This record gives sequence, structure tokens and C-alpha cells, in this order.
Amino acid sequence: DAGVIQSPRHEVTEMGQEVTLRCKPISGHNSLFWYRQTMMRGLELLIYFNNNVPIDDSGMPEDRFSAKMPNASFSTLKIQPSEPRDSAVYFCASRTTYMGTGELFFGEGSRLTVL
Amino acid sequence: GESVGLHLPTLSVQEGDNSIINCAYSNSASDYFIWYKQESGKGPQFIIDIRSNMDKRQGQRVTVLLNKTVKHLSLQIAATQPGDSAVYFCAENMDTGRRALTFGSGTRLQVQP
Repeated sequence: DAGVIQSPRHEVTEMGQEVTLRCKPISGHNSLFWYRQTMMRGLELLIYFNNNVPIDDSGMPEDRFSAKMPNASFSTLKIQPSEPRDSAVYFCASRTTYMGTGELFFGEGSRLTVL
Repeated sequence: GESVGLHLPTLSVQEGDNSIINCAYSNSASDYFIWYKQESGKGPQFIIDIRSNMDKRQGQRVTVLLNKTVKHLSLQIAATQPGDSAVYFCAENMDTGRRALTFGSGTRLQVQP
């Protein structure tokens, strides 16, 4: 059974470039989360979706960040334009809200370095 | 290499000893708690969870204790093994887990052979 799949695993880009991170949640899961992990702030929630609808995007740093979930099996997190302070590991996670548990299943993360 | 190079509190134990990792959570309204383990270069992995109507829950070699009075959570690992070396996070949630998890800052566990 495939877990949450994220791509790319590593991305190195220059300041000002557009970055798109991708996520495929576990099949059958109806909630999807984007987290960012940094040395200074630890794991912080950026946005989450229930049934493809954004529920809470209060963690999205600013207008440079956007996330979409066009269908139940795919989501993107876009940064445009990217800045060095966006360097972090970005995790996607999914779960089902129908099982009565709150466990999130995480992908392996996308490590972003903005030069 | 590490996932993010976090400057975390570190607990160093000898192989075979028991480990206790502590966590203070922030929201008195939280009613669901999870412990996650994160190995270098990987995403967080579920270990054990507990709801606020319980004060103790046991799994395989792990026990979670919840003290709602002082908003404290602990993870006990019995007979710690080198494979237990990782960063451990507690996470809290409301509405019995139907919202997004809020993560603590983490503790690094180092198991000495």
C-alpha cells in the first residue's frame, strides 16, 4: 500500500524562481495537510483541506504561497517568487476523518533550498 | 544527515534502559494527543495516541501518560534500542482529532550501544 507521495524530494533554486511541490495522498483519505519544518520554528501547519476544500490557511506565510487541491488524489504547494527564508522541508500528510482517529500519515518531505 | 538540523533538547540513554520523553502542551481544550517519531531524512511516523478521557495507554514497548491538570504528556520507551534513536514530537488536537495537529518542538533521543 503506497503511502503519501511527495515530489520532488530535493529542490535547489535561486531566489525569485517559482517552486511547485506536489503531493499524492493515500487513496481513500479525505483530508490533506501541508506542513513546513525549519530549525527555528519546528513543524508548522501551512494549510489543510477536507474533501478538497481548504479549511484553514492561516499558516500560509504570505501571498507568495498558494496551495491547490484540484481532486482527491493530488495537491500542489506553490511559492512564487521564492526567497532564501523559504528554505525548509515541506511535508504533506493525509488522513481519513471517517475512522474516528486523528493520525496523520506523512510523506517523506520535499527539501527546498533557495539560494 | 538530519532532516532539518534542529537544535533540540537531547536525551541520551544506554541501550536496554528505559527512556522517558516529556512534553508540555499548550491548549487546555485539546482532547487528542499523538506521539510521532522522526528519523533522519524521513517524515514523522505515528507511534501512539491517547484521548483526553484516558490518562494512560500502552503499546508495544511504549506507554503514553497524560496529565491534563498540568497539561503534560510523556512517552515511555521500554528497553530502548539503537533503532529508537530519532526525534520525538508530541502533537495535540481538538475535536477528537478532526482538525490539524499542532506539534511540539521535539526531543532528540540518542541511544548509546
